Amino acid sequence: GNSVTQMEGPVTLSEEAFLTINCTYTATGYPSLFWYVQYPGEGLQLLLKATKADDKGSNKGFEATYRKETTSFHLEKGSVQVSDSAVYFCALSLNNNDMRFGAGTRLTVKP
Amino acid sequence: EAGVAQSPRYKIIEKRQSVAFWCNPISGHATLYWYQQILGQGPKLLIQFQNNGVVDDSQLPKDRFSAERLKGVDSTLKIQPAKLEDSAVYLCASSFSANTEAFFGQGTRLTVV
Repeated sequence: GNSVTQMEGPVTLSEEAFLTINCTYTATGYPSLFWYVQYPGEGLQLLLKATKADDKGSNKGFEATYRKETTSFHLEKGSVQVSDSAVYFCALSLNNNDMRFGAGTRLTVKP
Repeated sequence: EAGVAQSPRYKIIEKRQSVAFWCNPISGHATLYWYQQILGQGPKLLIQFQNNGVVDDSQLPKDRFSAERLKGVDSTLKIQPAKLEDSAVYLCASSFSANTEAFFGQGTRLTVV
């Protein structure tokens, strides 16, 4: 079935460090891929997305590239801030079906 | 633009009691989702509506969970009777159409004791 696997957390970084959160997917087709973020006390919100192979989604300094050959959509940021502390979810959606989420990765950025 | 509204924000009930959650999606959004998010896990889809029709309810425990979306707008999710393992955050989301960005409400945190 369609599923997403993302790296287990928690991840703790110092401010200005480089961030990578790995995400790989399994799908019977060509899904759209998403990263959602959940800040403390808030609901899930879309961070970025990519709808086809080699697309790069970007927002707020975060980037992720849709890699069909490795079935991956890793999230990266060159310099994290304390305000980036949150839980990050990788997700996929295929052929108008439901959005499937990974388990989430908790990121804590220390000053 | 108003977001997805959910109520209540928190609910504590005893096992075997019933509970209902309400969701008002973003105006004009045809697709509505209910997700269950157990602590430490990603959201799991319970049911997906397209207007007032059910698209996918394959992961809905139909012996105790029910949902409806009358007139293709607001939706309610009911649990009867509740079990301890139903303790979770119940998220409602809506999108203009399936496969487009989903907007989430803040969720209802249910504790079954």
